[in-house]
Amino acid sequence: GQQVQQSPASLVLQEGENAELQCNFSTSLNSMQWFYQRPGGSLVSLFYNPSGTKHSGRLTSTTVIKERRSSLHISSSQTTDSGTYLCALERWTNAYKVIFGKGTHLHVLP
Amino acid sequence: EAAVTQSPRSKVAVTGGKVTLSCHQTNNHDYMYWYRQDTGHGLRLIHYSYVADSTEKGDIPDGYKASRPSQENFSLILELASLSQTAVYFCASSSGTLSNERLFFGHGTKLSVL
Repeated sequence: GQQVQQSPASLVLQEGENAELQCNFSTSLNSMQWFYQRPGGSLVSLFYNPSGTKHSGRLTSTTVIKERRSSLHISSSQTTDSGTYLCALERWTNAYKVIFGKGTHLHVLP
Repeated sequence: EAAVTQSPRSKVAVTGGKVTLSCHQTNNHDYMYWYRQDTGHGLRLIHYSYVADSTEKGDIPDGYKASRPSQENFSLILELASLSQTAVYFCASSSGTLSNERLFFGHGTKLSVL
């Protein structure tokens, strides 16, 4: 089954609304990151956040490792926030693994 | 800002042919990675490398080889391309593992195998 589950799968907002994106892990992890993928393909790292809360502008990431979950909050959404948001976990067991979720597709309407 | 350059940006290949995807980074990063992205599967790690002249298998290495001839360059080789290898391929680099440093991605290579 999916080791990294993201919800919702897609989301449509009116500009100015807030969004809460979720990432849940069904396996233990050493760290995680949030990424943004622009329409057209390239990916940008937003947060490396193995635990606690981090802020960057209108974005807030909160990770609770014990509960195997992380969230990304977008406040006062803008049309330029449209795209796909991906979370990924990193795990070292007997091999190195980086596992991405399938993403949340966000569309912000003007 | 870290720079990761992939070539070609897109490619059409025939089934059974050989395909080489190239990646070049100018940031003195030790780690480089190859991912593929498919609709419905998200991003999956194919191969990675943490030092020149050495590569490691990721989660889906079958049908792919990798080569790291120098710190700056990392290639992905499909010796016998198949239809199932149609996807978008991303190269990435970082100075450490995911837990230490951010991953910097290239713009991707869209590969179509016919």
